[in-house]
Amino acid sequence: AQSVTQLGSHVSVSEGALVLLRCNYSSSVPPYLFWYVQYPNQGLQLLLKYTSAATLVKGINGFEAEFKKSETSFHLTKPSAHMSDAAEYFCAVSDTSGTYKYIFGTGTRLKVLA
Amino acid sequence: GAGVSQSPSNKVTEKGKDVELRCDPISGHTALYWYRQSLGQGLEFLIYFQGNSAPDKSGLPSDRFSAERTGGSVSTLTIQRTQQEDSAVYLCASRSTTGAQDGYTFGSGTRLTVV
Repeated sequence: AQSVTQLGSHVSVSEGALVLLRCNYSSSVPPYLFWYVQYPNQGLQLLLKYTSAATLVKGINGFEAEFKKSETSFHLTKPSAHMSDAAEYFCAVSDTSGTYKYIFGTGTRLKVLA
Repeated sequence: GAGVSQSPSNKVTEKGKDVELRCDPISGHTALYWYRQSLGQGLEFLIYFQGNSAPDKSGLPSDRFSAERTGGSVSTLTIQRTQQEDSAVYLCASRSTTGAQDGYTFGSGTRLTVV
């Protein structure tokens, strides 16, 4: 069975500071991993994905994530937070065959302080 | 269309009434998913359609929930005899047959409120 754990339901950072959102996964097979962002009253938008190619993945809006198999982690980072980054972020794991349905983490709400 | 379209965007219904939620996926996307987003439960998988194959209904929470996909395109999620615990945002997503590595494209969701 697959699962995802996002540590910290709320994270606050100052504008210009490093953003680090944590995601750990459990999977018995090599997974696909995704980060999505959700702005208020909107659907989920794909930020980046890991699908067994490069372990350091770059996404949109300056975000990146590193797949670490030994730590079963896929943490999301951004060197310098911007006010527009305030949103909810979801990590998801999917299997690599069959339905490719996602198991989502519970989400982390990012607040950016001026 | 250019994106996944869901309607209505908001729905308020009385307890015990039936509701239908509609999803129009990206043209050519053969895979379609419904998820439910609610406080305390996060994002839950409901149902998956792939082409003409039998749907994966393993996430439907009760027999009051059903979904169909006509002509391999538009999908309708039906909730019968709605209960207050059905209040949530219902999200639809689609992807291409070979696009599992590309991730899903989500619609903006339907916010359902049962009063």
